[in-house]
Amino acid sequence: QVQLQESGPGLVKPSETLSLTCTVSGFSITSGYYWVWLRQPPGKGLEWIGSVYHSENTYYNPSLKSRVTISVDTSKNQFSLTLSSVTAADTAVYYCARGDGGYGGDQFDYWGQGTLVTVSS
Amino acid sequence: QSVLTQPPSASGTPGQRVTISCSGSSSNIGSNTVNWYQQLPGTAPKFLIYSNNQRPSGVPDRFSGSKSGTSASLAISGLQSEDEADYYCAAWDDSLNGVMFGGGTKLTVL
Repeated sequence: QVQLQESGPGLVKPSETLSLTCTVSGFSITSGYYWVWLRQPPGKGLEWIGSVYHSENTYYNPSLKSRVTISVDTSKNQFSLTLSSVTAADTAVYYCARGDGGYGGDQFDYWGQGTLVTVSS
Repeated sequence: QSVLTQPPSASGTPGQRVTISCSGSSSNIGSNTVNWYQQLPGTAPKFLIYSNNQRPSGVPDRFSGSKSGTSASLAISGLQSEDEADYYCAAWDDSLNGVMFGGGTKLTVL
């Protein structure tokens, strides 16, 4: 059974860097597939942040590209998100997911439960 | 403003058939497949339909998807109270080089 679990600070100050980790269990992160971050501001819709494949190929949302890095730690079966220079607009529930399919692994078949990150001083 | 356009709301009575539309352009729906997600209140989204009309294992056949040109639709037949949720379409966009979502449709079962 594939399971994903997000972890990281629930509160980040404006202008600082948001860092989250997704721990994958029941499946090896090296066994193909894309590893994906998405977010959902309170009361709003879903937004794809980016995807990583085989630790090398990354795809980022063009609106966030200058501030986002997604990386993989195969030794811990984890992947991570960093988002720099955060503002209140980055307050959201952040989800990690497994992606399959053609471009950027756009079929998100397994999701974490999500973690709320609030940007506030 | 979402790249893919969905109606903000839809409704139906138990047993009814409802459809939710998703409109895009030649760079997304027109040239790539569409996926749908269901988000029950307070929970993470669930993978509902992939590659326009395929159901993952465990998804009831009451849910079906279709695509024509630059638009796609999700149909739910035999509507049940537990279908009350937000529904999102998504597709890769060749121009933006990323996955784009619709704004979501809140389905109410009356």
